[in-house]
Amino acid sequence: NAGVMQNPRHLVRRRGQEARLRCSPMKGHSHVYWYRQLPEEGLKFMVYLQKENIIDESGMPKERFSAEFPKEGPSILRIQQVVRGDSAAYFCASSPGQGQGADEQYFGPGTRLTVT
Amino acid sequence: AQSVTQLGSHVSVSEGALVLLRCNYSSSVPPYLFWYVQYPNQGLQLLLKYTSAATLVKGINGFEAEFKKSETSFHLTKPSAHMSDAAEYFCAVIVYSSASKIIFGSGTRLSIRP
Repeated sequence: NAGVMQNPRHLVRRRGQEARLRCSPMKGHSHVYWYRQLPEEGLKFMVYLQKENIIDESGMPKERFSAEFPKEGPSILRIQQVVRGDSAAYFCASSPGQGQGADEQYFGPGTRLTVT
Repeated sequence: AQSVTQLGSHVSVSEGALVLLRCNYSSSVPPYLFWYVQYPNQGLQLLLKYTSAATLVKGINGFEAEFKKSETSFHLTKPSAHMSDAAEYFCAVIVYSSASKIIFGSGTRLSIRP
């Protein structure tokens, strides 16, 4: 059973460009979480999604950031008009959402975004 | 609101020595607590979790943690450090509101001296 997949692993963008980060949850998992890790800091919750629904986006910056988890395909975290402060590691986690271990989150390897 | 505080951003021990990483929590309800490990340029791996079943929790790689309600602590220990234990360790608490989101501590970097 493959783990949580994230791509790309590394992404370089110039200021003002758009960044798209993809996350494929573990097989059978219907809940996806995005976290951001700034340099030398812990992970901070950004958004929690189920298929086609945003459940909690309390950690998302109000502008330029959006997330989706369509019925088919991976979850996408989109950052428009990137700025240097967006440089960070972005981690995706997934959980089954039901049954034993419903809330246990499994993390992907992360996407390291560098804005130049 | 739930939160965790990790004491010591960097801990260094000799190979074979006891590892002790400190974590204190704050929660108005019985917490679910976790320890994660992050190796360089990798994602997080769950070491162990406390879900109120037993106060002493054993995890992978020889680590264990003890939940002490009276001290609001959940310290991570390992009797004998190995070079491969060098990594960043995060204590975390899960917040059950509209989302099961995890609140992470700031992390403790563990270095192992030969």
